[in-house]
Amino acid sequence: GENVEQHPSTLSVQEGDSAVIKCTYSDSASNYFPWYKQELGKGPQLIIDIRSNVGEKKDQRIAVTLNKTAKHFSLHITETQPEDSAVYFCAAGGSARQLTFGSGTQLTVLP
Amino acid sequence: NAGVTQTPKFQVLKTGQSMTLQCAQDMNHNSMYWYRQDPGMGLRLIYYSASEGTTDKGEVPNGYNVSRLNKREFSLRLESAAPSQTSVYFCASSGTAFRGYTFGSGTRLTVV
Repeated sequence: GENVEQHPSTLSVQEGDSAVIKCTYSDSASNYFPWYKQELGKGPQLIIDIRSNVGEKKDQRIAVTLNKTAKHFSLHITETQPEDSAVYFCAAGGSARQLTFGSGTQLTVLP
Repeated sequence: NAGVTQTPKFQVLKTGQSMTLQCAQDMNHNSMYWYRQDPGMGLRLIYYSASEGTTDKGEVPNGYNVSRLNKREFSLRLESAAPSQTSVYFCASSGTAFRGYTFGSGTRLTVV
């Protein structure tokens, strides 16, 4: 089955700096790669996603890049703000409509 | 628009007790899922239901059973709780045009 690895497990950045979280996946059949943000005590919420026919997608301060050949994808957050502090999960999915999740990254934005 | 609703939010069980976690969605989604979240391990799939009337095992199904009661509701049952089942449980659903999941707010279960 699919295996998703996520790095780093914790990340601290100064407010206004950029943050990058990286994931690799194992199954070349995976074609859908969402990113979720989980705030304390809440369920994960979708923040951005990308499909395998696209190399990059951007939504305001958030962008995701995908390298199918290397089987890795990354989340980029620019101009970080304190409210960006949360746990971020990457995931990979295919035709089975199931997602396999990475182990999560605790992002802390320092004021 | 409630999305995905899970009950209860918190539960403490003694080893060997049974309980059912409830999940309902109001988005007319076909697929529903149960995940457990443990520190450092991300979210792991317990069971899923691709459509009403079908259920399948995920990565970690042992010790659990599920029921897809109707299109809206998908319950998770622990027949004989064990301390290893202490976790946060999330229910999720997805629609026909698969764009990831909508998650509930979770049930924090402690088995003592």
